[in-house]
Amino acid sequence: KQEVTQIPAALSVPEGENLVLNCSFTDSAIYNLQWFRQDPGKGLTSLLLIQSSQREQTSGRLNASLDKSSGRSTLYIAASQPGDSATYLCAVGPRGNTPLVFGKGTRLSVIA
Amino acid sequence: EPEVTQTPSHQVTQMGQEVILRCVPISNHLYFYWYRQILGQKVEFLVSFYNNEISEKSEIFDDQFSVERPDGSNFTLKIRSTKLEDSAMYFCASSPGMPSYNEQFFGPGTRLTVL
Repeated sequence: KQEVTQIPAALSVPEGENLVLNCSFTDSAIYNLQWFRQDPGKGLTSLLLIQSSQREQTSGRLNASLDKSSGRSTLYIAASQPGDSATYLCAVGPRGNTPLVFGKGTRLSVIA
Repeated sequence: EPEVTQTPSHQVTQMGQEVILRCVPISNHLYFYWYRQILGQKVEFLVSFYNNEISEKSEIFDDQFSVERPDGSNFTLKIRSTKLEDSAMYFCASSPGMPSYNEQFFGPGTRLTVL
């Protein structure tokens, strides 16, 4: 059974700092991996999708990498801003068009 | 930009009552999902729907739950007799379903409170 773990559970950084959020999964046979942002009491906003054949994806200040063989993904946020404060969720898709398996998330606070 | 919408945003009900949560997926998407998130816990899968039938369901999705796509746009989740432990945020998601483009897009959620 696929398990997704995100470390750390919470992170507080000063504004402007570059940071890395980690995601690990137990079964490397994944189809894709998605990173989401969740603001308190709100829905999930998709940030990046990485297909299993890809090594990384970039969107603005965000860069996500995938190492399937080691069961790891990282989300790199450059030049963090207070508006980046949210919970970041990692989710893996075991096969195409199948339910995602989520981690518990990393709660990020960026202090001005 | 197209988005998934959900209604109501918040539903309060008494234990044992039936509730229907509504979703309008993104037009032209082929796969539809319901997930839930109990406060402080992981987002967990309930059911997926494709080609007008359930394609996969979790252990949570028992006989108290049902899904329907009554027309070309709406996708509903019904809980027949709510329990206290059904209190959660319920998310609808949809996906284009293409091999090279299968990103899941989530709605804002419905917060269900069972008293």
